[in-house]
Amino acid sequence: GENVEQHPSTLSVQEGDSAVIKCTYSDSASNYFPWYKQELGKRPQLIIDIRSNVGEKKDQRIAVTLNKTAKHFSLHITETQPEDSAVYFCADGGRSQGNLIFGKGTKLSVKP
Amino acid sequence: KAGVTQTPRYLIKTRGQQVTLSCSPISGHRSVSWYQQTPGQGLQFLFEYFSETQRNKGNFPGRFSGRQFSNSRSEMNVSTLELGDSALYLCASFQDNTEAFFGQGTRLTVV
Repeated sequence: GENVEQHPSTLSVQEGDSAVIKCTYSDSASNYFPWYKQELGKRPQLIIDIRSNVGEKKDQRIAVTLNKTAKHFSLHITETQPEDSAVYFCADGGRSQGNLIFGKGTKLSVKP
Repeated sequence: KAGVTQTPRYLIKTRGQQVTLSCSPISGHRSVSWYQQTPGQGLQFLFEYFSETQRNKGNFPGRFSGRQFSNSRSEMNVSTLELGDSALYLCASFQDNTEAFFGQGTRLTVV
């Protein structure tokens, strides 16, 4: 079945540094890839998503890149801030957002 | 616009009992998905409903079931509870071409 591998499982950076989280997926037919941020005790919230008709998408300090040939996508956070500390989940949405296959998550810690 | 509402927020049940969780989607959203979140397995897809029909189902035993009503509200039921069913159960609602919005979840503890 579909599978999503996410690395690293933990990531610690200094405030102002960049953070990169990588995911690989197995279903070559998939074309929707969201990223969710979950703070402790809170619900997952979408921070950015990408569809397979584009290779990169940016939103201020956050960007996502997609390589369909290699079946991997990455989250890039620049100029990290302490409030970026959270668990980040990538997901393979197949063809829709209704059946998300999640990676195991990356715990990001940003040290002031 | 109100967000996705899940009730109850917390539940404690005994092994062997059954439980029903409720999810009210964002107004206008006809699609609802359910996920189980545990420290060991992460976020796992349970089911997806659209217009009262189950559209997709994850790899969970038959003790896990769900349904959706004509007003798009959804319930999920777990029968014969096991200790391993202790988890945060999350519901998400969405419309075509929108993101999936998650509720706060129901924290189920089985003792």
